[in-house]
Amino acid sequence: GAVVSQHPSRVICKSGTSVKIECRSLDFQATTMFWYRQFPKQSLMLMATSNEGSKATYEQGVEKDKFLINHASLTLSTLTVTSAHPEDSSFYICSATREGGSGELFFGEGSRLTVL
Amino acid sequence: GNSVTQMEGPVTLSEEAFLTINCTYTATGYPSLFWYVQYPGEGLQLLLKATKADDKGSNKGFEATYRKETTSFHLEKGSVQVSDSAVYFCALRDGSNDYKLSFGAGTTVTVRA
Repeated sequence: GAVVSQHPSRVICKSGTSVKIECRSLDFQATTMFWYRQFPKQSLMLMATSNEGSKATYEQGVEKDKFLINHASLTLSTLTVTSAHPEDSSFYICSATREGGSGELFFGEGSRLTVL
Repeated sequence: GNSVTQMEGPVTLSEEAFLTINCTYTATGYPSLFWYVQYPGEGLQLLLKATKADDKGSNKGFEATYRKETTSFHLEKGSVQVSDSAVYFCALRDGSNDYKLSFGAGTTVTVRA
């Protein structure tokens, strides 16, 4: 099956620093990648949609200057949380669709960010 | 807008017990409905889906029927195993957008031997 991997799985950083989370499709080329955020006991909230080689499309209410998304290749998308603050602490999950596939989404394991 | 409401957990069951996780939705169009499962340490995986009213999705002994009249997509399994311990997410995809999913909050299920 298609595998999506995120790295790091856990990261702790100081307030004011920036953190980069990687999302890779290991055995397929991903046309589109999605970034979600999950708060405890709440649903996954779509943050943005990224297509390879173009700017990401952000959902309403998501600060694009704070959550920088880069999708430089068909197998890699990165989410950079800039100038992180404690309220950015959350579980970030990426998913990807396979180029030429049925549209099924394949999810990464998630990355737990804790900002001190 | 679209939204999904699912039963709050956690749910703890004994092996071979019957499992039901309720899911109801609100959508403006004719959505497709999904159940995803997340096993410990892994990413979400598609468990089953239904794309139109009265469709029944099934996989690994789990079933869910798309009920338009009650806007529901309840997940059921007749006899759970310890290996079914996971977090289950109900989700919908609006027919007007191929990829955007709206998720429920997830229900944690623990099956004890």
